[in-house]
Amino acid sequence: DIQMTQSPSSLSASVGDRVTITCRASQSISSYLNWYQQKPGKAPKLLIYAASSLQSGVPSRFSGSGSGTDFTLTISSLQPEDFATYYCQQSYSTPPDTFGQGTRLEIK
Amino acid sequence: EVQLVESGGGLVQPGGSLKLSCAASGFTFSGSAMHWVRQASGKGLEWVGRIRSKANSYATAYAASVKGRFTISRDDSKNTAYLQMNSLKTEDTAVYYCTRFVGAAAAYNWFDPWGQGTLVTVSS
Repeated sequence: DIQMTQSPSSLSASVGDRVTITCRASQSISSYLNWYQQKPGKAPKLLIYAASSLQSGVPSRFSGSGSGTDFTLTISSLQPEDFATYYCQQSYSTPPDTFGQGTRLEIK
Repeated sequence: EVQLVESGGGLVQPGGSLKLSCAASGFTFSGSAMHWVRQASGKGLEWVGRIRSKANSYATAYAASVKGRFTISRDDSKNTAYLQMNSLKTEDTAVYYCTRFVGAAAAYNWFDPWGQGTLVTVSS
């Protein structure tokens, strides 16, 4: 199974900050990488698919990049509603579909 | 609007059984693969299993942690997917989400949308 490792596990930032979250795969997954946002008590929501494609309706301050084993999710200017937990997921070699352990983004 | 609504969660004793439902609307359910993902309290997302469409022979696959205990099925006439959970263990306690598979198995694919989740608690 492909292992997904996110860093950092948690992050404190302020409104307006630029934030980057990293996801690393245990083997090359090309661009088969998706990002989800989850707020407390809510279901995950798709943000980015195929490493860099923005899901319809997602603000343009979110962007994704990378290929192979290393990927990043960037929020260009944090907004209050962005404080949440973010997960990466590989869809290259399934089953199983595997997720990173999550990155909790907190208000500084 | 594309929507998924889970139901059937609750409290069950270790060794017991429970069947979850996932009612879909707003899209062609019969043509979509459906997946189940769970999340223990304070933990990350864990893929549970999936069922493909009739065109793909309703093929199922499961995580190693639930294989042989859980069964996924679907009723396309009711636009509903199911997760039958048997021989439940305390470590199966989690919120269970159903989600639609978008894309193709041999191409880029992702999960969207997700249901609101239903809580399963396995405890004596």
